[in-house]
Amino acid sequence: GDSVTQTEGQVTVSESKSLIINCTYSATSIGYPNLFWYVRYPGEGLQLLLKVITAGQKGSSRGFEATYNKEATSFHLQKASVQESDSAVYYCALSGAMLSGSFNKLTFGAGTRLAVCP
Amino acid sequence: EAAVTQSPRNKVAVTGGKVTLSCNQTNNHNNMYWYRQDTGHGLRLIHYSYGAGSTEKGDIPDGYKASRPSQENFSLILELATPSQTSVYFCASGDLDRGSYEQYFGPGTRLTVL
Repeated sequence: GDSVTQTEGQVTVSESKSLIINCTYSATSIGYPNLFWYVRYPGEGLQLLLKVITAGQKGSSRGFEATYNKEATSFHLQKASVQESDSAVYYCALSGAMLSGSFNKLTFGAGTRLAVCP
Repeated sequence: EAAVTQSPRNKVAVTGGKVTLSCNQTNNHNNMYWYRQDTGHGLRLIHYSYGAGSTEKGDIPDGYKASRPSQENFSLILELATPSQTSVYFCASGDLDRGSYEQYFGPGTRLTVL
């Protein structure tokens, strides 16, 4: 089946330092995966941070960026300089049209909790 | 603005009791989803729906039922709640839109089963 792996359960970074959150995926039942990063701020629901639907493309939002690397099956999230307000849980996810013709489904990674220290 | 709302936002239930979680969307999406989120597991799909009158099992449907009486509303029902169902539940809606299969999430319902 499809799966998303986030290797870090928690990451702690000092303010103004750079960040990378790793995400790799396996898509065996989806022909052309769409890749997403969702974020959940404390006390709030999930919201889309960025998405990329075409391999080789880069998505960016709020200073974060991620590149859809089909060869490496990766979609790492990066930011050059984090702020305390970036503290949240980040989820990598994939979706797309099922090869079987059935509905589109989001498959999530386990999430990475980012703590930014002042 | 398109939105997904959930009620209640917090719920405490007793073991063996019946719990109904409600979801409403104004996105006019055909597909709706119920997920639960537990630490270390990300979000896992419980039930989904293609449209009014349809419900389908997701990856972890045991102990849950779903109901889609209209395009806008999708409920998750725990007939006999158990402590293992203590979790945060998210509803979402989504369709293929300009080549993307994005889903839009509600704020979540925190359920505690004692």
